[in-house]
Amino acid sequence: KQEVTQIPAALSVPEGENLVLNCSFTDSAIYNLQWFRQDPGKGLTSLLLIQSSQREQTSGRLNASLDKSSGRSTLYIAASQPGDSATYLCAADIKAAGNKLTFGGGTRVLVKP
Amino acid sequence: GAVVSQHPSRVICKSGTSVKIECRSLDFQATTMFWYRQFPKQSLMLMATSNEGSKATYEQGVEKDKFLINHASLTLSTLTVTSAHPEDSSFYICSAGRNTEAFFGQGTRLTVV
Repeated sequence: KQEVTQIPAALSVPEGENLVLNCSFTDSAIYNLQWFRQDPGKGLTSLLLIQSSQREQTSGRLNASLDKSSGRSTLYIAASQPGDSATYLCAADIKAAGNKLTFGGGTRVLVKP
Repeated sequence: GAVVSQHPSRVICKSGTSVKIECRSLDFQATTMFWYRQFPKQSLMLMATSNEGSKATYEQGVEKDKFLINHASLTLSTLTVTSAHPEDSSFYICSAGRNTEAFFGQGTRLTVV
């Protein structure tokens, strides 16, 4: 059974600092891995999707890497801003399960002005 | 990106009543949709897989008679919480996949009083 873990559970940084969020998964046979942002009481906003054949994806200040062999993905957010404060979730798409996702516990990020 | 619409966003109901939540894929067809539940300060847990034209598949520990799922068309899945109790109060969110990416609805905050 796929298990996804995110460390740390919470992170507080001053504005401008780079953020590094970690995600690990137990079964390397994933179809893809997605990173999401969730604001309090809200739904999920998809940030980046990394296919199993890819090693990284970039969008603006966001960069996500994927290392299937070690079961890890890392989300980097450059030059953090207070608006980046949210919970970040990673989710592994189990192979051939049709977008059936297993979520990590999330990392709650606070960027202080 | 693709749009998944969920309604209502918030609902308060009395204990013992039933509540229906709708999940629609607005600009694509989805033969499979997924329903997740999120308790406060916890991550998303998959409840069931909704299959168009056939019975839903429930995850272990989820009562199929309590959480009725209907996927009558390629763009609509509904989740009905029957005989709701306060412990059913939670954030319910649906997703649908297009190509290799999962898209989420806005979520429904259910409060049972």
